[in-house]
Amino acid sequence: GDSVTQMEGPVTLSEEAFLTINCTYTATGYPSLFWYVQYPGEGLQLLLKATKADDKGSNKGFEATYRKETTSFHLEKGSVQVSDSAVYFCALTAPSGGSYIPTFGRGTSLIVHP
Amino acid sequence: KAGVTQTPRYLIKTRGQQVTLSCSPISGHRSVSWYQQTPGQGLQFLFEYFSETQRNKGNFPGRFSGRQFSNSRSEMNVSTLELGDSALYLCASSLRTSGDGDEQFFGPGTRLTVL
Repeated sequence: GDSVTQMEGPVTLSEEAFLTINCTYTATGYPSLFWYVQYPGEGLQLLLKATKADDKGSNKGFEATYRKETTSFHLEKGSVQVSDSAVYFCALTAPSGGSYIPTFGRGTSLIVHP
Repeated sequence: KAGVTQTPRYLIKTRGQQVTLSCSPISGHRSVSWYQQTPGQGLQFLFEYFSETQRNKGNFPGRFSGRQFSNSRSEMNVSTLELGDSALYLCASSLRTSGDGDEQFFGPGTRLTVL
């Protein structure tokens, strides 16, 4: 079945450091890829998405590029802030026998220190 | 525009009981999906309803069921509760089905504890 693998956390950074959270996937067909963020005590929010190969999703300084050849969708940000501290989920939806089952990674906790 | 609301926010039940959780999607959204979130298994898809019909289903036993009403509100039922059902249950709504690649808007979740 489909799967999403994220790097284990927590990732701990100082403010203004560069962030990379790795995400790789296994899927049949051509999935759409997403990054969601969950702030403490809140539900998940969509951060960015890409629906086809070589698409780049971006939002709030975060970026991720859909790499079909490496089946990856790594999340990057050039300069993190304390307010970026949250849990980040990589996800995909892909067709499977006429159905679309959303599949999420385990989540990566990011902690940013001042 | 009001977000996705879930009730109740917290629930404590004992083994063998059943429970019903409710989700009200964003106005105009016709798709509602349910997820179970646990520290051990992460976020797992339960099922999706669109226009009162179940469109997609994850790999959960038949004790987990749901339905959607004509106003798009959805309920999820878990019968014969087990300790392992303790989790945060998240509801998400979108304009179209997950197959359309639409953004899903998540509610704050219902925290279910089974004793």
